Amino acid sequence: KAGVTQTPRYLIKTRGQQVTLSCSPISGHRSVSWYQQTPGQGLQFLFEYFSETQRNKGNFPGRFSGRQFSNSRSEMNVSTLELGDSALYLCASSLKGPGSNTEAFFGQGTRLTVV
Amino acid sequence: AQTVTQSQPEMSVQEAETVTLSCTYDTSESDYYLFWYKQPPSRQMILVIRQEAYKQQNATENRFSVNFQKAAKSFSLKISDSQLGDAAMYFCAYRSAREYGNKLVFGAGTILRVKS
Repeated sequence: KAGVTQTPRYLIKTRGQQVTLSCSPISGHRSVSWYQQTPGQGLQFLFEYFSETQRNKGNFPGRFSGRQFSNSRSEMNVSTLELGDSALYLCASSLKGPGSNTEAFFGQGTRLTVV
Repeated sequence: AQTVTQSQPEMSVQEAETVTLSCTYDTSESDYYLFWYKQPPSRQMILVIRQEAYKQQNATENRFSVNFQKAAKSFSLKISDSQLGDAAMYFCAYRSAREYGNKLVFGAGTILRVKS
């Protein structure tokens, strides 16, 4: 069974540009969450999607957005990139929706560097 | 808001010996889940062990066990018979059982080094 797949693995963008990251959850999983990992702030929750709807959102500016498709694949977008957006972005998928007692499986992440 | 604190930025252990990683958390809830995740150099987060707050019995997974002290809001991880492959960053994480969502709140992490 394939795990959580994140693409691309590495990305270099220029300040002011926008970027889209993709996450394909484990087959059958319907919940997808996104996290930002930086040396200074650690792991921070961005948002969670279930059944194509955003169910929960972390404390990030509106430049960070996401969506989920009918096949449960999710994308996150960051507009007007800033140097501080450089981070490892991790995606996690779960079998059931919010509030359920199911394990979150993580992908290998996308390393975004903003120059 | 819930917070998770890992007070040990770095720990070292000799191969085959035992090490304990500390974690404390702050919450006003009574129903929640606690996790330990391992992040090796590959950067993929791997679940090591989980504990449901309503269970008094400490969780165990092979060489990994926890000491869950609900009143003290403490959740430490004990690794027995440490192996070179255990070297990684370890994160303690909290998830509410009441709030809507699967949001995980992570501690800052502890780097574990295993000496041969």
